[in-house]
Amino acid sequence: DGGITQSPKYLFRKEGQNVTLSCEQNLNHDAMYWYRQDPGQGLRLIYYSQIVNDFQKGDIAEGYSVSREKKESFPLTVTSAQKNPTAFYLCASSIIGQLNTEAFFGQGTRLTVV
Amino acid sequence: KNEVEQSPQNLTAQEGEFITINCSYSVGISALHWLQQHPGGGIVSLFMLSSGKKKHGRLIATINIQEKHSSLHITASHPRDSAVYICAVRRFRAGGGADGLTFGKGTHLIIQP
Repeated sequence: DGGITQSPKYLFRKEGQNVTLSCEQNLNHDAMYWYRQDPGQGLRLIYYSQIVNDFQKGDIAEGYSVSREKKESFPLTVTSAQKNPTAFYLCASSIIGQLNTEAFFGQGTRLTVV
Repeated sequence: KNEVEQSPQNLTAQEGEFITINCSYSVGISALHWLQQHPGGGIVSLFMLSSGKKKHGRLIATINIQEKHSSLHITASHPRDSAVYICAVRRFRAGGGADGLTFGKGTHLIIQP
């Protein structure tokens, strides 16, 4: 079945360490996105990519980095520069080139930094 | 002011009740999405609307583009409908493109048996 796979589901890291969250999709979608969710807030866009080897900053990109070396994969690195990294992270993908496209989401990764 | 506002933030109802969740937005959009998030965190897309009304089972979504308002209705609500319902919009960009969705904060719905 086609879908988006995020791993791991839960992740614990010590403060000051970089950590990379995985996102893989087999939907053949060109566009991929990373969102962050905090309690009581809507999801906020961190980074997005429309094509391999290209990505754009979203609303809250500071302290994060991404890569898009393959169409299927869009890993997110939470760096030590991110001041409040503990959050729920969601990856999504969609077709581009159409105004109205469905959004597909992964199951999320809950990151806790101690 | 958030670009996407949902109401109510929390809603508790009895099984069988008719549920309405509202979403208002302040930007030009090409589409509006209703999403469902269960306690585990994963999000499922329920509807994508650009005009009119859509129905899927007991769920109905409507949108009024002129008033910049959408509603999600649940008929004959059931405890398994308990979840967070999120409204999200895709802002209109000339030429299309893919710059992500803008989300409301969600409505936490609890249906009691």
